[in-house]
Amino acid sequence: DVQMTQSPSSLSASVGDRVTITCRASQDIGKSLAWYQQKPGKPPKLLLSVASRLNTGVPSRFSGSGSGTDFTLTISSLQPEDFATYYCQQQYSIPPQTFGQGTKVDIK
Amino acid sequence: EVHLLDSGGGLVQPGGSLRLSCAASGFTFSVYGMTWVRQAPGKGLEWVSSISGDGDSTYYADSVKGRFTISRDNSKNTVYLQMNNLRVEDTAVYYCAKDNKWEPPGYFEYWGQGTLVTVSS
Repeated sequence: DVQMTQSPSSLSASVGDRVTITCRASQDIGKSLAWYQQKPGKPPKLLLSVASRLNTGVPSRFSGSGSGTDFTLTISSLQPEDFATYYCQQQYSIPPQTFGQGTKVDIK
Repeated sequence: EVHLLDSGGGLVQPGGSLRLSCAASGFTFSVYGMTWVRQAPGKGLEWVSSISGDGDSTYYADSVKGRFTISRDNSKNTVYLQMNNLRVEDTAVYYCAKDNKWEPPGYFEYWGQGTLVTVSS
């Protein structure tokens, strides 16, 4: 099974801050990684796929990088609507198709 | 426009059964895999099960294998999750999601709004 480990589990930041979230896979998954944003009471929203491809309509302040086992989601300038929980998900192997445990971004 | 409407959740006693449904529209249903993901109260996302576009390939998390069955009816553009022998730890919001390709694994651009399953005596 491919395990996904996200860090940090939570962070506090201010509007305008640069925020970085990391995701580590337990084995080489190439670029088979997606990032999601979830707000309370809502389904997840796809931000990026294949590690760095921005989904349609997602602001360019979101970017992704990495390959193999180490991946990063960066928000270049945090906006009020970005306070949410972020998840990575590997799409390399199944079963299982694992998510990271999530990173909650809240207001400092 | 893609729409996924999940339904069928509710309150059930431990050991009971429920069948969730996810009605899809806005895309050629039979061409894409479909997936169920759940989220226990206050917890993260957990992948539950996936099915290929033709229904021939199915995949399950160890936590539900042997108790849950995923299926699809491409004539009705609907995917199902039959849940038997439910446990308290199955309590969660269940989301259906559209895979980006025929055969899982994929990523999920479209999600249903979720249906709550509560297992309690």
